[in-house]
Amino acid sequence: QSALTQPRSVSGSPGQSVTISCTGTSSDVGGYNYVSWYQQHPGKAPKLMIYDVSKRPSGVPDRFSGSKSGNTASLTISGLQAEDEADYYCCSYAGSPYVFGTGTKVTVL
Amino acid sequence: QLQLQESGSGLVKPSQTLSLTCAVSGGSISSGGYSWSWIRQPPGKGLEWIGYIYHSGSTYYNPSLKSRVTISVDRSKNQFSLKLSSVTAADTAVYYCARNAYCSGGSCYLHAFDIWGQGTMVTVSS
Repeated sequence: QSALTQPRSVSGSPGQSVTISCTGTSSDVGGYNYVSWYQQHPGKAPKLMIYDVSKRPSGVPDRFSGSKSGNTASLTISGLQAEDEADYYCCSYAGSPYVFGTGTKVTVL
Repeated sequence: QLQLQESGSGLVKPSQTLSLTCAVSGGSISSGGYSWSWIRQPPGKGLEWIGYIYHSGSTYYNPSLKSRVTISVDRSKNQFSLKLSSVTAADTAVYYCARNAYCSGGSCYLHAFDIWGQGTMVTVSS
């Protein structure tokens, strides 16, 4: 099972929107509606931001949204804020195993 | 409030076995019908799922690690454990335990990791 492919980095100014892609295969992202997204600040444990492709856990701001088309899932952060600067990882169920993405560093300019 | 806490040896010699435990507090490891996972992150790198266990004891492991991994559960102590054998420097990482679900309002969604331990650094070195 290969890691899902994410861009190494994305950046945006405060208030702008950024989108992170997560590309897999029909055996993982494309085969199940079980993509989740995690935010990780340096030295901290990951935090769940999106589950089941597009659902937000309680307490996660609604400027975080998720979607999927075919074998690619996406996380969009609208109205970028300074505290959104972090690493982001996607994860997909793949029929019992789980596979994570390569990770994307979001920089707020 | 459910909390997870990893513990175990922070330094392991090459070819030996890494052993970690995840203590679950604020709830029962046997409730909910979901599983419990181990996930690791080498320094400066991404996350890798290692495997999960249900309170019943059934397990599933990452195929790339399957030959070296054992995850077990101790319901009496409300904890689960990880053993990784024949370690090399490539196994140096922060190891996290996590609940394999998102639960809210009495419902649980099984394919996410919503509660994580703080992580424990394990270094493989002689």
